[in-house]
Amino acid sequence: GEDVEQSLFLSVREGDSSVINCTYTDSSSTYLYWYKQEPGAGLQLLTYIFSNMDMKQDQRLTVLLNKKDKHLSLRIADTQTGDSAIYFCAETRGNTDKLIFGTGTRLQVFP
Amino acid sequence: DTGVSQNPRHKITKRGQNVTFRCDPISEHNRLYWYRQTLGQGPEFLTYFQNEAQLEKSRLLSDRFSAERPKGSFSTLEIQRTEQGDSAMYLCASSVTNEKLFFGSGTQLSVL
Repeated sequence: GEDVEQSLFLSVREGDSSVINCTYTDSSSTYLYWYKQEPGAGLQLLTYIFSNMDMKQDQRLTVLLNKKDKHLSLRIADTQTGDSAIYFCAETRGNTDKLIFGTGTRLQVFP
Repeated sequence: DTGVSQNPRHKITKRGQNVTFRCDPISEHNRLYWYRQTLGQGPEFLTYFQNEAQLEKSRLLSDRFSAERPKGSFSTLEIQRTEQGDSAMYLCASSVTNEKLFFGSGTQLSVL
């Protein structure tokens, strides 16, 4: 995860919006992803964005991509306790098929 | 769609023993990936198959690690002469294209 950086923790109150941020370094990234991981579980694909887009909305989730600043964010509207998990951003690069993951942001939602 | 299946869910072994994990991808997914995740870190790429061909291997994959996908369906990951540093969650993923990878629940390896 050395090329993809995320803040480690985020704590929000139930019902508020959460914004999880990610920065990456490779301008050749083709797709950028957000995955969710609950304790002891695998990774669940939440949403992804193609690098020629700057925004994607999917129900409570909004992804913003600032390609100039190499910055990706995930906004979760009306955050619920069930959203508590670790969120990973990831990128694919150019012709490769592997995902490069960030270190993850632990989201804690309190009542 | 039964999802990506990994077995076993947990494996405890003594240092020096060999272990083998299995991954059954989503049917008709021709791409299969192995990742390793240690506590507090994001998953790290290990290797990737397209059908039965192993197309890429990470430098993380030492000579003690070998992966196979003999018929282009399920895959196995073997670790020989395990070391304590091999303790991690081993994740498998599959996809049709490189656009969306679907992950299994992983195999948690503990080397004592």
